Amino acid sequence: NAGVMQNPRHLVRRRGQEARLRCSPMKGHSHVYWYRQLPEEGLKFMVYLQKENIIDESGMPKERFSAEFPKEGPSILRIQQVVRGDSAAYFCASSPPGSGGMNTEAFFGQGTRLTVV
Amino acid sequence: QKEVEQNSGPLSVPEGAIASLNCTYSDRVSQSFFWYRQYSGKSPELIMSIYSNGDKEDGRFTAQLNKASQYVSLLIRDSQPSDSATYLCAVRNAGGTSYGKLTFGQGTILTVHP
Repeated sequence: NAGVMQNPRHLVRRRGQEARLRCSPMKGHSHVYWYRQLPEEGLKFMVYLQKENIIDESGMPKERFSAEFPKEGPSILRIQQVVRGDSAAYFCASSPPGSGGMNTEAFFGQGTRLTVV
Repeated sequence: QKEVEQNSGPLSVPEGAIASLNCTYSDRVSQSFFWYRQYSGKSPELIMSIYSNGDKEDGRFTAQLNKASQYVSLLIRDSQPSDSATYLCAVRNAGGTSYGKLTFGQGTILTVHP
C-alpha cells in the first residue's frame, strides 16, 4: 500500500509563473490536508478537503491560491503568479473516512519544495 | 491565544534520560491528538495518537492526555541520539466550522546528547 505521494518533489518557478502541486492520498483515504512550512518554522494549515468538497480553507491566502480534490485524481494546490515569498515546503497529509475523519490518523507525503526565483 | 501551544525549546537531554514534551490546546471540542516527529529536511512522521484521557504506551513512547486541563504530553524513555528531531503536537477539532481540521503546534526541538 503506497503512502501519500506528492509531486514534484522540487519545483522551481520564476516570479509570475504558476505552480501546481499534486498530492495522491493513500489508498482508501478521502481526506486531504495541505500545509506550508517555512525554514525553521512550524506547519501552517492551509486547507482541508474531502472528495469534491473544500471543508476548511481558513489558512489559504485570499488571492492567487486555490485547491481542489476531484472525484478522480490527485488533490491539486495551485499558486498563480508566484512571488518569492511563496518559496517554502508544501506538505499534504491524508486520512481515511469514518466518523468524519475523527479518531483516524493522518499521514504525510514527502513534500514539494517550491523555490521562486 | 494560539490554538495549539508547545513548550518552547530547544530541549536538551542526555542519552538514556526521559524527555518530556508538553502541549496545550485552546478548543474544548478537540477530540483527537497526535505526536509527529520531523527530522530536518524531512516530512512529519506520525509516532503516537491518543483519543481518550489517560496514558497510551508504545515502546519507549508514552502519550498522556488530560482533556479537563486541555493538555497532552509525550514522554520518551531511554532517549537516544536518533530521537533528536522536532516534535510536533497536532489536534483535530470535533465541532463547529473547524470540524475535522488538523492543527499543529510550533514544534519543540529535542536534542539528545551522548
